[in-house]
Amino acid sequence: GQQVMQIPQYQHVQEGEDFTTYCNSSTTLSNIQWYKQRPGGHPVFLIQLVKSGEVKKQKRLTFQFGEAKKNSSLHITATQTTDVGTYFCAGPNDYKLSFGAGTTVTVRA
Amino acid sequence: DTAVSQTPKYLVTQMGNDKSIKCEQNLGHDTMYWYKQDSKKFLKIMFSYNNKELIINETVPNRFSPKSPDKAHLNLHINSLELGDSAVYFCASSPTSTYGYTFGSGTRLTVV
Repeated sequence: GQQVMQIPQYQHVQEGEDFTTYCNSSTTLSNIQWYKQRPGGHPVFLIQLVKSGEVKKQKRLTFQFGEAKKNSSLHITATQTTDVGTYFCAGPNDYKLSFGAGTTVTVRA
Repeated sequence: DTAVSQTPKYLVTQMGNDKSIKCEQNLGHDTMYWYKQDSKKFLKIMFSYNNKELIINETVPNRFSPKSPDKAHLNLHINSLELGDSAVYFCASSPTSTYGYTFGSGTRLTVV
């Protein structure tokens, strides 16, 4: 079955620095979705990418969908303490979303 | 108004007990789900419903029984609770199975 893998599992970032988290699927995806879960909270939908090579930006967050539609990345610039949380990518598969294991981000002030 | 509401938020119970978690969405979505999040934050699908009909039962023990009385509600009943059932259970809904999910705030189940 489809597997969605994410790296790194943990990202410790100095405030103001940039970082990237990567997502890879074992199969071609119709779309890729990204979610953010704050500590103690629930996953919140951030964005969906559909087209091959698509790039979307949300303020300091840049999302990219690979040309083969099997990988994606989330790049955050000038990290702030509000970016703390776990970021999940997810791909649809047979009436459900398969989630990656998530990248948990901590920020050093 | 909360889009996807789950009750209770916390549930502490003894092994062997039976408990229920309720979920309601007011978004008009056709599809609802139960996900289990373990201590390592991994989100695993348990059940998927489309317009009250069960679509996916992802190898969940039959102690877990979902019920959808209408497309706005999806409840989860768990019989004979075990220590390994301790986790956070999330209800979610979406317009279709391929579009962005809206999650409830979760139910933290602790079995002692």
